[in-house]
Formats: sequence, C-alpha cells, structure tokens
Amino acid sequence: GENVEQHPSTLSVQEGDSAVIKCTYSDSASNYFPWYKQELGKRPQLIIDIRSNVGEKKDQRIAVTLNKTAKHFSLHITETQPEDSAVYFCAANGNEKLTFGTGTRLTIIP
Amino acid sequence: DTEVTQTPKHLVMGMTNKKSLKCEQHMGHRAMYWYKQKAKKPPELMFVYSYEKLSINESVPSRFSPECPNSSLLNLHLHALQPEDSALYLCASSPLFGDIGYTFGSGTRLTVV
Repeated sequence: GENVEQHPSTLSVQEGDSAVIKCTYSDSASNYFPWYKQELGKRPQLIIDIRSNVGEKKDQRIAVTLNKTAKHFSLHITETQPEDSAVYFCAANGNEKLTFGTGTRLTIIP
Repeated sequence: DTEVTQTPKHLVMGMTNKKSLKCEQHMGHRAMYWYKQKAKKPPELMFVYSYEKLSINESVPSRFSPECPNSSLLNLHLHALQPEDSALYLCASSPLFGDIGYTFGSGTRLTVV
C-alpha cells in the first residue's frame, strides 16, 4: 500500500519568515496530494491540493510543488502569521485511499 | 449544505457499554469514511462505504461495527471497547470513492473508562 513520509516533525519559524514542509510517497499510481491543517481539538481542514498533472499550485501565501519523478511534494507558507501555528498533514491517494503523513507541528514565533 | 455533521461531540463510555456514533452529510457524496485519530498522530482509515456498501475494512476489531442506512447517514456502533480505543473518531465524505474533495466532520472525542 501507499506509504507517506513527512519531514520535519516539528518546525519553528519567526513570524514573517517562510516555512517549508516536505513529503515523499511510494505509490507511483497516486495522483492527488492534499494538505490539511489541524488546530488543536479540531477537524483536519483542506488548505491546498495538487493533482499529478500539475507541478505547482499557489493560493495567496500557500503553495504546493510536486515532483512526480522523485515522488515528493512540498508545502510552502510565506509571510507566516501566528494563526498559521497548527499541525499540518500531507496525504496521497494511492490505491484510492487517502494515506496521511505523520504530521508537522508548525509554531510561529511572534 | 457543505458540511459533515457528527454527533455526539464528546462521549465517555464504560467497557461494557454499547454506544453509537453518527455522521450525516447532505452534499450528495456517495463515499463515506470512518477514521480514528490518536493524539499527535495522523488519521488512520477504518472503514469505507461506497454507494452504501462496505468497500474497505482496514482489519478493524469487531467491537467496531459500521452501518450505512442510506446515502446520507453513517453510523459506527461501539461495544465492549478498551481504554486504548479512546481517540478522536472522524467521519469524512467525498463525491465518489477515491475521488478528491474529502470533507471531514468535526469528530467525536471518545473516552473509554
């Protein structure tokens, strides 16, 4: 089945700086890669996603890049703000099931 | 309506109790999912229903019993749970199985005592 690895597990950045979270996946048949933000005690919320026919997608301060050859994709958050502090999960839809990475706890330091 | 509604939000049950979790969506989605999430861990898939039929059971113990009475409703029946089953139980739906556009419910925080 699909295996998704995510790094780093924790990340602290100064407010206003950029944050990058990286994921790798194993199933070459995966074609959909969402990113979720989960605040403490709340549901995972989709923040951005990318399909395998696209290399990059941007939505305001958030961008995702995908390298199908290397089987890795990354989340980039620019001009970070305190409300960006949360746990972020990447996921891939190998075998038609959404498999999540292990999560990154992002802390924005004011 | 673009939400997945889960009830109850919190549940405390003893190891001999029988309880049920409920999930409802009115987006016309034909795939519904149960996930279990332990603290500081990613959601783990338990069950998938596609067109009201059980498509995937990820080797979940029989003390968890899913039910999909109709295309809008998904239940998870709980019986003889263990303390290690305490977790956040998340329901999700998508237009079709394996499709994009997952929507998660806000979850049921379950504590087994």
